[in-house]
Amino acid sequence: QVQLQESGPGLVKPSQTLSLTCTVSGGSISSGGYYWSWIRQHPGKGLEWIGYIYYSGSTYYNPSLKSRVTISVDTSKNQFSLKLSSVTAADTAVYYCARTPAVAGHFDYWGQGTLVTVSS
Amino acid sequence: DIQMTQSPSSLSASVGDRVTITCRASQGISNSLAWYQQKPGKAPKLLLYAASRLESGVPSRFSGSGSGTDYTLTISSLQPEDFATYYCQQYYSLWTFGQGTKVEIK
Repeated sequence: QVQLQESGPGLVKPSQTLSLTCTVSGGSISSGGYYWSWIRQHPGKGLEWIGYIYYSGSTYYNPSLKSRVTISVDTSKNQFSLKLSSVTAADTAVYYCARTPAVAGHFDYWGQGTLVTVSS
Repeated sequence: DIQMTQSPSSLSASVGDRVTITCRASQGISNSLAWYQQKPGKAPKLLLYAASRLESGVPSRFSGSGSGTDYTLTISSLQPEDFATYYCQQYYSLWTFGQGTKVEIK
């Protein structure tokens, strides 16, 4: 059973960089066949896809966030990470990591989510 | 961007009711559509993908249909554990979600 777990600071100051890591267990990122995504949900709101990474390191980002987002992968640790720069209060959200079969596009496994609050 | 519009935004229903939620895409998405259930404080759970394919382990009272721009999630007989918020998601071009439909107890 694949499991994903987000980790990182729950509080980030405005203008700083938000950094989160997703640790995958029960499956190997380096085996290929899946995109590994970050998705966020503003409090009481809907879901927004942030971007994905493939095991090879290729990435694709939501155009609305592209200038501030970097997603990286560490296959040796079976982890992938999100960096979101120049954060504001509008970036306060629950951040999820999730897996997508590369031949499809649905998210079949999700982490439990982690709330990140942007505040001084 | 492909915009996804769900209706209604909320509904009240009783246990045993048949419930239908609609999702409309701003352009055709060729059945590249998934449905999720989310309960408070939890991650979304995949119910269906490819518009009508039931994810393993999901009860058969959930079904999906549609084509082109219009898709439907149906719960044939609402159970107490089905009270939640439901989201559609297109993956025809990048990934976008509907705004959600909250199913509440009548």
